[in-house]
Amino acid sequence: DAGVIQSPRHEVTEMGQEVTLRCKPISGHDYLFWYRQTMMRGLELLIYFNNNVPIDDSGMPEDRFSAKMPNASFSTLKIQPSEPRDSAVYFCASSLRGGFTHNEQFFGPGTRLTVL
Amino acid sequence: AQSVTQPDIHITVSEGASLELRCNYSYGATPYLFWYVQSPGQGLQLLLKYFSGDTLVQGIKGFEAEFKRSQSSFNLRKPSVHWSDAAEYFCAVGYSGGGADGLTFGKGTHLIIQP
Repeated sequence: DAGVIQSPRHEVTEMGQEVTLRCKPISGHDYLFWYRQTMMRGLELLIYFNNNVPIDDSGMPEDRFSAKMPNASFSTLKIQPSEPRDSAVYFCASSLRGGFTHNEQFFGPGTRLTVL
Repeated sequence: AQSVTQPDIHITVSEGASLELRCNYSYGATPYLFWYVQSPGQGLQLLLKYFSGDTLVQGIKGFEAEFKRSQSSFNLRKPSVHWSDAAEYFCAVGYSGGGADGLTFGKGTHLIIQP
């Protein structure tokens, strides 16, 4: 398996622009998670999906952030409009519920976002 | 709410020496515990996990961790470190209920290996 795939790996944009981050989970995994990593706050869970349905979005910082999962193999995290404080590394992770894989999450390589 | 504390922000160890990274958690029920490693510019890779059973768990790359319920700890150990072990290490706790909530991570420990 190719693992969790994220694109782009790096994104540089200007304040006010729309940013879309993409994620393809591991085939067969039914949970998908979006995390944000910053020096100040570490790794934070933003939102997660189960069977394409958002379960908990309490970590989404503001209404400027939105996430979708239109099918089992694709998810997006959108920031509109972007601000410099959104600069961070955004990770996508997926997992398979049940058995000893419960809660074991597999992470993608991340997208490093810089908002100027 | 669950939380994870990694008290050491940075640790420097000589190559070949032993290593212990500390992790304490706060959680009301039986936790699922994890150690992940992140190399520079990379994603997180799972080193090992504890769900139940034997409290000493073995992981990849020669790492092991011991779950001590009485101390709410899950410290990571390695008997002899290699230069390639230099990385950021994260301890995480997961929900042991019926769902699959996201993990709560500690702030990480940056491991530096001296030649």
